[in-house]
Amino acid sequence: DAGVIQSPRHEVTEMGQEVTLRCKPISGHNSLFWYRQTMMRGLELLIYFNNNVPIDDSGMPEDRFSAKMPNASFSTLKIQPSEPRDSAVYFCASSPDSPRGYTFGSGTRLTVV
Amino acid sequence: AQSVAQPEDQVNVAEGNPLTVKCTYSVSGNPYLFWYVQYPNRGLQFLLKYITGDNLVKGSYGFEAEFNKSQTSFHLKKPSALVSDSALYFCAVRDIRNTDKLIFGTGTRLQVFP
Repeated sequence: DAGVIQSPRHEVTEMGQEVTLRCKPISGHNSLFWYRQTMMRGLELLIYFNNNVPIDDSGMPEDRFSAKMPNASFSTLKIQPSEPRDSAVYFCASSPDSPRGYTFGSGTRLTVV
Repeated sequence: AQSVAQPEDQVNVAEGNPLTVKCTYSVSGNPYLFWYVQYPNRGLQFLLKYITGDNLVKGSYGFEAEFNKSQTSFHLKKPSALVSDSALYFCAVRDIRNTDKLIFGTGTRLQVFP
């Protein structure tokens, strides 16, 4: 099992550009989570899906952020337009039926200049 | 409200000495508790969990955690620290209202000195 796969590993973009982060969860896991990690705010849950349906998006900072999960094997997190304050490491995690816990991807380090 | 608290931002310990990273929780009912570790430039990795049963839970890399219901704590421990244990450690509890979801603490940075 290759684990949770995120791409790209690093992304540098200019303010105002659209950014799309991608995640492939572990096969058979029915929940998928998007987190953001910064020094100032720590680990923040942005949104999570269960069986491809968004369950809780209360952590999405603003309308510039959107997430989709068109099928069980793929999810995207999009930021449009991006701003320097969006610079962070974004993690995707997936989980089978609880309470087995999450498996995290290696993250995407986003820098918006 | 449900939560976990990690009262120490950083813990320093000498190699070979025992280490403890503290976690307390606040949740109604029986908690499901987890510890994760994050090495530099990596995602969080599962260390161990408590669901039910023995209060002492053994996990990866020689770590263990003790569930204490009366003190609402779930401290992470290791008898002899290694320099390679230096990392960021997160405690988490399952959200009882939304059991797919984990509530994470703020993290404790463990620094093991040679």
